[in-house]
Amino acid sequence: GAGVSQSPSNKVTEKGKDVELRCDPISGHTALYWYRQSLGQGLEFLIYFQGNSAPDKSGLPSDRFSAERTGGSVSTLTIQRTQQEDSAVYLCASSLTLALSSYEQYFGPGTRLTVT
Amino acid sequence: KQEVTQIPAALSVPEGENLVLNCSFTDSAIYNLQWFRQDPGKGLTSLLLIQSSQREQTSGRLNASLDKSSGRSTLYIAASQPGDSATYLCAVRAGANSKLTFGKGITLSVRP
Repeated sequence: GAGVSQSPSNKVTEKGKDVELRCDPISGHTALYWYRQSLGQGLEFLIYFQGNSAPDKSGLPSDRFSAERTGGSVSTLTIQRTQQEDSAVYLCASSLTLALSSYEQYFGPGTRLTVT
Repeated sequence: KQEVTQIPAALSVPEGENLVLNCSFTDSAIYNLQWFRQDPGKGLTSLLLIQSSQREQTSGRLNASLDKSSGRSTLYIAASQPGDSATYLCAVRAGANSKLTFGKGITLSVRP
């Protein structure tokens, strides 16, 4: 079946603009995660959704970052008033949350964000 | 706070060599550990997942081991090939639905 998809694959924006990044998880996966990968920092957790609620937002770096998930499926990560340090690859992952499953996370291809 | 370390950051080997990639983590209370592969400009591909109760997992030429008490995992690649050139990332999670905490990865280059 289809894997995790993300759009756009690349986004170039001017400093100060808002951007929205989209993630479509694997069908039936109730858990969804956003991560950020930047040079020198490695892969960092941003936020975790279980269904439409976000029990762990601890990785969001500032109040300019927000995310929502609707219908227990698609998620949108919004960055307001972008800064150059927001430039990174934003990765989304999803997993099943069934007892006796491995809870393995499957990753999308990422969105490369460049803030000029 | 969990910290995951992968040393060295880069490794270059000749084709055909067997090699071991190391991963260490500071908090042994993990739920599972995953090894990923990342090709340049691409997302992450899961290679192997080891549950905390397991000691190793194998897939083809890859074997991953886990020593939870000492906070270590190794990824063994047998008979390396140029196509194995990529960055290999180790990640651990504290609970079933917890976030993954990643190491910074080891960039492997296999020379023909």
